Amino acid sequence: GEDVEQSLFLSVREGDSSVINCTYTDSSSTYLYWYKQEPGAGLQLLTYIFSNMDMKQDQRLTVLLNKKDKHLSLRIADTQTGDSAIYFCAESINNFNKFYFGSGTKLNVKP
Amino acid sequence: DAGVIQSPRHEVTEMGQEVTLRCKPISGHNSLFWYRQTMMRGLELLIYFNNNVPIDDSGMPEDRFSAKMPNASFSTLKIQPSEPRDSAVYFCASALAGDTDTQYFGPGTRLTVL
Repeated sequence: GEDVEQSLFLSVREGDSSVINCTYTDSSSTYLYWYKQEPGAGLQLLTYIFSNMDMKQDQRLTVLLNKKDKHLSLRIADTQTGDSAIYFCAESINNFNKFYFGSGTKLNVKP
Repeated sequence: DAGVIQSPRHEVTEMGQEVTLRCKPISGHNSLFWYRQTMMRGLELLIYFNNNVPIDDSGMPEDRFSAKMPNASFSTLKIQPSEPRDSAVYFCASALAGDTDTQYFGPGTRLTVL
């Protein structure tokens, strides 16, 4: 089946940029997503990118998609302590909206 | 819009008891998903519905789990009998097929089976 992989942890200092990476195996994905989960809460959609795009920017967030390498990244500029959370990447493959999620990357922002 | 609503938010029960989790999707959405999240296994898709019809239930762990969607605005996930290993956070999500496929998650139900 489809496989979406992420590194488990990332630690950065406040004010630095964070880059969270994700790789996937299915080249027929239609959309790719980034979700944020804060402790005790559900998953909150941060942003998404259509598979025919290379980049999408939304305020402090920049998503880069390399379809050839099946690599997705999320860059958070000027990382704040409030950005500390678990970040999930996911892909949909035009199959009744079914998603394939990565295991999540826990971002720790140190003051 | 109120978003996806789940109830209860927390449930503590004893092994062997029946547990029913409830979900109200976002109005107008036609896809609904049930997920389970644990430290060991991460986020797992249990079952999903499209237009109230179950499309894929291959993630349902075993026959003790069942899910229904009697109408477009309500779904239940039932565990009978419950076991301690069912302890997890259960999320419901809904989406509008044909849109950006984006799934919107509820706050989750934290289930503890003693």
